[in-house]
Amino acid sequence: TQLLEQSPQFLSIQEGENLTVYCNSSSVFSSLQWYRQEPGEGPVLLVTVVTGGEVKKLKRLTFQFGDARKDSSLHITAAQPGDTGLYLCAGGGYKLSFGAGTTVTVRA
Amino acid sequence: DTGVSQDPRHKITKRGQNVTFRCDPISEHNRLYWYRQTLGQGPEFLTYFQNEAQLEKSRLLSDRFSAERPKGSFSTLEIQRTEQGDSAMYLCASSLGDEKLFFGSGTQLSVL
Repeated sequence: TQLLEQSPQFLSIQEGENLTVYCNSSSVFSSLQWYRQEPGEGPVLLVTVVTGGEVKKLKRLTFQFGDARKDSSLHITAAQPGDTGLYLCAGGGYKLSFGAGTTVTVRA
Repeated sequence: DTGVSQDPRHKITKRGQNVTFRCDPISEHNRLYWYRQTLGQGPEFLTYFQNEAQLEKSRLLSDRFSAERPKGSFSTLEIQRTEQGDSAMYLCASSLGDEKLFFGSGTQLSVL
């Protein structure tokens, strides 16, 4: 089983601030996915990163895949209350291995 | 937009009882997956189907757990003789081949 460690576990910030969450592994992944999960709902895919060093942007969210394809980060610029949720990284193809997630709370 | 549908959304049962959950995937999706998520953790893979064939089962899936997808459409997950440790969110997902997974809203199981 390929393990993914996410940090920090919890993050609480004020609206308008920036934040970064991290996903690290000792294993190489062919691709990594980032999901957001709201309470009582299933995870929703945000992005898939495939190439080492790749940077993808989704509005105010920037995703980066490490050169060695062992780590990834998610940066949110000017966070809004609607960004509140559990952010999960996952890898491993159809048999996804998920990290434990980072719970992000954006206060208005 | 008919996404992945799971029923029931919540289930409370007493220890030792059997429970069954249902998942209706997106209609054209040939793959269906079951995951389990406990508080403070990410989802853990349990099993997956390609059409009606169950192709892989995790070691997490003890003998008390059984999953079926009889006609390659909806799937059921049954837990026999439930234990308190079975309390979790049970998530179903579907995909078209290797394309992205779409998750349902899950069934929250509480075993008293």
